[in-house]
Amino acid sequence: DIEMTQSPSSLSASVGDRVTITCRASQSISSYLNWYQQKPGKAPKLLIAAVSSLQSGVPSRFSGSGSGTDFTLTITSLQPEDFATYYCQQSYSTRWTFGQGTKVEIK
Amino acid sequence: VQLVESGGTLVQPGRSLRLSCAASGFTFDDFAMHWVRQAPGKGLEWVSGISLNSNTIVYADSMKGRFTISRDNAKRSLYLQINSLRPDDTAFYYCAKARGSSLGHNLDNWGQGTLVIVSS
Repeated sequence: DIEMTQSPSSLSASVGDRVTITCRASQSISSYLNWYQQKPGKAPKLLIAAVSSLQSGVPSRFSGSGSGTDFTLTITSLQPEDFATYYCQQSYSTRWTFGQGTKVEIK
Repeated sequence: VQLVESGGTLVQPGRSLRLSCAASGFTFDDFAMHWVRQAPGKGLEWVSGISLNSNTIVYADSMKGRFTISRDNAKRSLYLQINSLRPDDTAFYYCAKARGSSLGHNLDNWGQGTLVIVSS
């Protein structure tokens, strides 16, 4: 299986900060990389598909980039509603895998 | 789009369980569907996916043999049969609608999850 490794596992940030989360695949996954946001007690929500395609209704402060094995989720000017756990997920292989998650907490 | 899982319960190790997911608000037989689980306090783990016509079915390597995914397009329902349940199967099980061809490439709608607790 393709292993997805996110870093950091958690981070503390303040409202207004710029936050960057990285996701590394154990082999090239081309652009088959998605990002999800999950808030406590809720189901995950698709944020970004295919590396950089922002989903409808997702604020433009979220962006994604990368290709091959290294990918980044960036949140410019963190807002209170952005405190959550973020997961990357690959669909290059028929056996999908998620990263272990990055918890974004309030400093 | 609405996805409603059911069937989660407290079950003894070694028993079997069938989870269901009722879909509405979209043309069910136009989309692949998946199951994802999440142990309490842990991360997301992809379980299995099934194509719109059930021709393609895949499982995570760790789920092969004990898990069976199926769908009934006439009933707009997705199922997950889990046999020989183990304590480490304890998790919320989410069904999710895929977007894209064959098995899809991402999950754009999720249910609220159903909790399976495996314990004696």
